[in-house]
Amino acid sequence: NAGVMQNPRHLVRRRGQEARLRCSPMKGHSHVYWYRQLPEEGLKFMVYLQKENIIDESGMPKERFSAEFPKEGPSILRIQQVVRGDSAAYFCASSPMTGNNEQFFGPGTRLTVL
Amino acid sequence: TQLLEQSPQFLSIQEGENLTVYCNSSSVFSSLQWYRQEPGEGPVLLVTVVTGGEVKKLKRLTFQFGDARKDSSLHITAAQPGDTGLYLCAGSPLPYNTDKLIFGTGTRLQVFP
Repeated sequence: NAGVMQNPRHLVRRRGQEARLRCSPMKGHSHVYWYRQLPEEGLKFMVYLQKENIIDESGMPKERFSAEFPKEGPSILRIQQVVRGDSAAYFCASSPMTGNNEQFFGPGTRLTVL
Repeated sequence: TQLLEQSPQFLSIQEGENLTVYCNSSSVFSSLQWYRQEPGEGPVLLVTVVTGGEVKKLKRLTFQFGDARKDSSLHITAAQPGDTGLYLCAGSPLPYNTDKLIFGTGTRLQVFP
């Protein structure tokens, strides 16, 4: 049973470009969460999605950031017009059910904005 | 304000020593998870504690959930270099009953051979 998969593992973008981060949850998991870890800071929640629905986006910046989890395919975290402050490690986690709180994390995508 | 405070923040010890990491909050949690994260990787789930006063053992690691479900501890016996990493506690505080995890401030452990 493969774990949570994220790609790319490393992404370099210039200011103003778009970044697309992909996450495939563990098999059988229908709940996906995105977290951001800024350098020397802790993990911060961004968004919680189920298939085709955004359940909680309270941690998402109001502008430039969006997320989706389509019926088919991976979850996508999209950052438009990236700025240097977006440089961070972005982690995806999945869980099989709500209320369980056990989330399994992928290896992360390290975004560097030049 | 940080909802989950971990202490110590850094810990450097010799192989064979024992250590305890603490995770404290003023909020009640339905459950708490402990993760270990190594450089360049994602957090790996170690254990989930659910019941107040619960104790769980994972080889040389012992996890305890406080009676009031506001705090937790991780005790490592006879630490080994392979235990080196960032230890994180995480949970969802009541009464919000949300699935998003709040992470602790982290304890960075270095075990020297």
